[in-house]
Amino acid sequence: RKEVEQDPGPFNVPEGATVAFNCTYSNSASQSFFWYRQDCRKEPKLLMSVYSSGNEDGRFTAQLNRASQYISLLIRDSKLSDSATYLCVVKGGSYIPTFGRGTSLIVHP
Amino acid sequence: DVKVTQSSRYLVKRTGEKVFLECVQDMDHENMFWYRQDPGLGLRLIYFSYDVKMKEKGDIPEGYSVSREKKERFSLILESASTNQTSMYLCASSFPSTSGPSNTGELFFGEGSRLTVL
Repeated sequence: RKEVEQDPGPFNVPEGATVAFNCTYSNSASQSFFWYRQDCRKEPKLLMSVYSSGNEDGRFTAQLNRASQYISLLIRDSKLSDSATYLCVVKGGSYIPTFGRGTSLIVHP
Repeated sequence: DVKVTQSSRYLVKRTGEKVFLECVQDMDHENMFWYRQDPGLGLRLIYFSYDVKMKEKGDIPEGYSVSREKKERFSLILESASTNQTSMYLCASSFPSTSGPSNTGELFFGEGSRLTVL
């Protein structure tokens, strides 16, 4: 079983839609959680960290469910520019981050 | 701004050649990583280093070696390139997660080096 699993998609949504991605992780000792965004042919960049109480940054909301071992990313009012691959990243007590394979989002007019 | 610089954006090499991929970061990060990214497989960790002259194998170290002689520089070496090493190689750096509560251990990536082995 892969340590971090994501639905690869693609999620194909119209502008203005709300879309949510989930990511499950297998290591119950995981401590840090992140969402990265990767545009086509570009390097991944941090979108947001995920805190235990959940956190919001503009149109983006991240949640952590430790009991069920998953994190989620909600994007409200999708923009064309949100089209990208969203990578879930989980870290345990060590400094080694584990990446999911990514979820592809396509926002169309 | 944090800057992670990879020496070559695009390389074309022949089977059996020795290949050096260089990565330099300017943020005094202790941790440095080399990943490869392939369609459908995501990012896979090749090697990482948490200090000068220290290195640890990642998930797919076979066919690769690394060198970290200076804190800011982490090199990936393909001793004898093979066609199955054609890939996008990404270098990243970060502070250790233990270096204070305000540090999340965020990874900063270079722009990537796309290697083609013929």
